[in-house]
Amino acid sequence: QSVLTQPPSVSGAPGQRVTISCTGSSSNIGTHSKIYWYQQLPGTPPNLLIFDDDNRPSGVPDRFSGSRSGTSASLAITGLRAEDEADYYCQSYDSSLRASVIFGGGTKLTVL
Amino acid sequence: QLQLVQSGAEVKKPGSSVKVSCRNFGGHFRNTAINWVRQAPGQGLEWMGGIFPVFEETHYDRKFQDRLTITADELTSTVYMELHSLRSEDTAIYYCARDMNGDYLFDPWGQGTLVSVPS
Repeated sequence: QSVLTQPPSVSGAPGQRVTISCTGSSSNIGTHSKIYWYQQLPGTPPNLLIFDDDNRPSGVPDRFSGSRSGTSASLAITGLRAEDEADYYCQSYDSSLRASVIFGGGTKLTVL
Repeated sequence: QLQLVQSGAEVKKPGSSVKVSCRNFGGHFRNTAINWVRQAPGQGLEWMGGIFPVFEETHYDRKFQDRLTITADELTSTVYMELHSLRSEDTAIYYCARDMNGDYLFDPWGQGTLVSVPS
């Protein structure tokens, strides 16, 4: 069971907007630990999508955006496209006794 | 352009060890951390640990700290991940990933190495 909780799946039609939530606790997202989002296409390594909560690396379309509030974070994708169909993971750091990098369980995005 | 190239797939017996390499092409080696993340079949991502060669520091997740060793060879710009006492649950794709600033931002990732431990 992951320390960060994500919905197992979300879906949307082309052109629509979807959001993926990432719920943590006071020992990780709640401590203002940085949040990262990765996109993983089938059969490929994860690829950095969002860093430091809401920043996009060069080459990532502005259709992707990140936000955080309290002990949760969200990834929003607007203007959904077929090529966005992938698994999405949030990542942060937990400063509890375990002191570890933590990932969400992943969310499968299906473009209808 | 930094590229991380990992060694090939492995099939191991339960109880044995596996050593996976990750070679750094085109980037600074000593002042860059390399971390290891694994992904079991059909499952999510799991951080194992990392090394920061310039500080000679390693950090391991508690789950693996008793049987995981991460080392670095500056001469060949290669980082090694060795997992001991393998069991079937260790069957996974093992990825290395760069962490340039020590803040656990992983970019880029290696291509992945499949380690199979048949029961």
